Amino acid sequence: ILNVEQSPQSLHVQEGDSTNFTCSFPSSNFYALHWYRWETAKSPEALFVMTLNGDEKKKGRISATLNTKEGYSYLYIKGSQPEDSATYLCASSGNTPLVFGKGTRLSVIA
Amino acid sequence: EAQVTQNPRYLITVTGKKLTVTCSQNMNHEYMSWYRQDPGLGLRQIYYSMNVEVTDKGDVPEGYKVSRKEKRNFPLILESPSPNQTSLYFCASSNAGVGTEAFFGQGTRLTVV
Repeated sequence: ILNVEQSPQSLHVQEGDSTNFTCSFPSSNFYALHWYRWETAKSPEALFVMTLNGDEKKKGRISATLNTKEGYSYLYIKGSQPEDSATYLCASSGNTPLVFGKGTRLSVIA
Repeated sequence: EAQVTQNPRYLITVTGKKLTVTCSQNMNHEYMSWYRQDPGLGLRQIYYSMNVEVTDKGDVPEGYKVSRKEKRNFPLILESPSPNQTSLYFCASSNAGVGTEAFFGQGTRLTVV
């Protein structure tokens, strides 16, 4: 069973601050690393899917990096806004469907 | 519109009364999964299916059954629900292959009293 760990568990930042959080996963039998954004009362929505060591992906103010050799990924948010408040989930897939971490709950204070 | 549809969205039931939560996807995805979300525990996988008639246990399968008779449907069955199965349930589907994103249903909030 894959074990995916995320840190921190929760985070409070001021509007305009930049922030980042970490996802660690087993580097053996790695297929892909996913990041999802999950707002309260909604379904998780995909942000990024990364497969190659050194991958970097960007969507607006949000970006992610991947290190498959050491088994970690970072998610960065530049200039946080209140609408960025959500739980950010990472998930890893081996040769089975996704296994999720517990998420990082981000609160951006205006 | 591509989507994953779960029903019902909300359900309150009594201990021991069999129930089924349906999940249907219209994207011809091979993979389908069920997760439950509990405070502080994140999304935990209950069962998954990699294709028709192929199902496997996830991390927390006890007390649940699934079936995959057709590609589009993946119902979750609670034969004898208990209060510890009170939770928020999500169904998800994705294509087979590396690096394909999962699409989630709207969630089913189940309360067992």
